[in-house]
Amino acid sequence: QITLKESGPTLVQPTQTLTLTCTFSGFSLSTNGVGVGWIRQPPGKALEWLALIYWDDDKRYSPSLRSRLTISKDTSNNQVVLTMTNMDPVDTGTYYCVRCTGVTGLGDHWGQGTLVTMSS
Amino acid sequence: QSVLTQPPSASGTPGQRVTISCSGSSSNIGSNNVNWHQQLPGTAPKLLIYTNDQRPSGVPDRFSGSKSGTSASLAISGLQSEDEADYYCAAWDDRLNAWVFGGGTKLTVL
Repeated sequence: QITLKESGPTLVQPTQTLTLTCTFSGFSLSTNGVGVGWIRQPPGKALEWLALIYWDDDKRYSPSLRSRLTISKDTSNNQVVLTMTNMDPVDTGTYYCVRCTGVTGLGDHWGQGTLVTMSS
Repeated sequence: QSVLTQPPSASGTPGQRVTISCSGSSSNIGSNNVNWHQQLPGTAPKLLIYTNDQRPSGVPDRFSGSKSGTSASLAISGLQSEDEADYYCAAWDDRLNAWVFGGGTKLTVL
């Protein structure tokens, strides 16, 4: 059974750096073609892809957020970490961790999501 | 403004067939596969269709996907009340070097 779970702070101050961890089970991030990524959703709005890291450490980022994002993996502990610098109130939303494979594409399995709120 | 264009809303009565469109360009739908995700109210999205027309195990065959040129469609036949949800299309964009989503379509079962 494949599961992904996001963890991190629920409240972040403006200009701070957000660090989110995705802990997964049921698959390995060392398997050829597998990746883990992040997608966010502001309240009442559409999904937005943020970043993706593949089994071979290839990393892809949203062009509009590239300068603020860093994604990394800890294969032995089945974790992927996303950091987002200089947080702003518009970054409020639910952040999802997802699996990606060469067959199914992005999001064949999703985490439950974690709501990140910016304090004023 | 989403890269992929979906109608903001769609509706149908129980038993009807409903279609949701997703329009893109040669750099995304025109050259890559399309996925569809279903997001029930208050829950995380779930993969509904992958590689244009494939259903993951457990997804009823009432749901079907298709792609032609730079557009894709999701069809739901035998509409049920539990199909009321937001639906999103997604594809890789070769020009942006990024995954792109549609703005989502809110399906209402009347």
